[in-house]
Formats: sequence, structure tokens, C-alpha cells
Amino acid sequence: AQSVSQHNHHVILSEAASLELGCNYSYGGTVNLFWYVQYPGQHLQLLLKYFSGDPLVKGIKGFEAEFIKSKFSFNLRKPSVQWSDTAEYFCAVKGNQAGTALIFGKGTTLSVSS
Amino acid sequence: DVKVTQSSRYLVKRTGEKVFLECVQDMDHENMFWYRQDPGLGLRLIYFSYDVKMKEKGDIPEGYSVSREKKERFSLILESASTNQTSMYLCASSFEGRDYTFGSGTRLTVV
Repeated sequence: AQSVSQHNHHVILSEAASLELGCNYSYGGTVNLFWYVQYPGQHLQLLLKYFSGDPLVKGIKGFEAEFIKSKFSFNLRKPSVQWSDTAEYFCAVKGNQAGTALIFGKGTTLSVSS
Repeated sequence: DVKVTQSSRYLVKRTGEKVFLECVQDMDHENMFWYRQDPGLGLRLIYFSYDVKMKEKGDIPEGYSVSREKKERFSLILESASTNQTSMYLCASSFEGRDYTFGSGTRLTVV
């Protein structure tokens, strides 16, 4: 069965610090990978996704993620966080065959202090 | 833009009641999903459907059932609500599994 592991439950950073959120997945085939963000009181918003091609994916709001197949990882990065990045971040994985569903990690809460 | 509409933003139900959560999407997507979101547990898949009248169990189907009689509507049913089903419920739809759109959620409280 597919599973997603997000290493950090809660990350606290100061503004301008660099961010890396870990995500590892377990799946026996070709995968599609996603990062979502949920700001306080709002619904899920897609940050970026990887299906194929360049393993370095750029998303919205200055976020990027790198797919490393050998490590089953898809870590999210941002060089300089802002207070407005305070949110919960979810990594998700899906097999690329029809009839499969998106499976989420437990999420990482990011708190950025100004 | 695809819109996924969940009929209720907040619901309060009594233990033992039969509860229906409705979800409608307006872009002819084949795939629809129900998740529940709980603090510290992320989103957990309850059921999904990849076609009308088709359904697949997710990771936590116990205590739930679903109905998909029309392509645009996917209903989640709690046959006999219990307090441990108090949660935020999220519906989503996707086209060929590439782009997912989530509803704004239904916060269900079972008392």
C-alpha cells in the first residue's frame, strides 16, 4: 500500500530563513507527487506537482521541490520564508495508473516569526 | 475553474443519526473522493469513485458508505453517526488524476 511520511510535525523559523520540509513515500511503481498548502481557515491549495521530466519542480510563491527517485523523496524548499508562509503543508502521492487515489502525509505545520 | 461544492459548511448531528454529506462538481470529472482531516493525522481517504456507480474503499471506510448515481454528485453517508466521526470532511474531484480540486469542507460535529 502507498504511504507518505513527513518528517517534521512542526517547524518554527524566522523570516528570511531557508526552508526544507521532508517527504518520503512508499510505493512500488511510478508515482505522481504533490505538495499542498493550507493557510489558517482556508482550503487546500496546490503548491506544485511532479509527473515526469525535470525532477526539480518550481511552484507558486517561490516554492520548489526535488524528486529523488533513489531516495523515494520529494522535499519542499524555499530559500527565504515570509511570515505569510505560516501554514500547514501536505505532501501527497498517487500511482500513475487509472483508478488510484491521492494519499496524503500527516502534514507539517510551519510557523514563521517576523 | 472547476468548482467543488459541499452542501454544508457546518453540521451538528446526534449520535446514531444517519448523516448525508453532499458534494457536487461542475466539470464532468470522472474521479471523486472523500477525505477526513484531523489535526496531526492529515487527510485520510475514506472512499473514492472513478465512475458513476463505481466505488472503492480508501484507508478508513469503516462506518461510512458512499453513493454516486450521477457523475457530478458524490455523497458520503454515515449510517449511524458516532462521536469519533466528528471531523472536517473534504470532497475532491480530478480529471485523469492530474489536477485535483477540493471543496471548502464540511465540519461535522457529532454530539
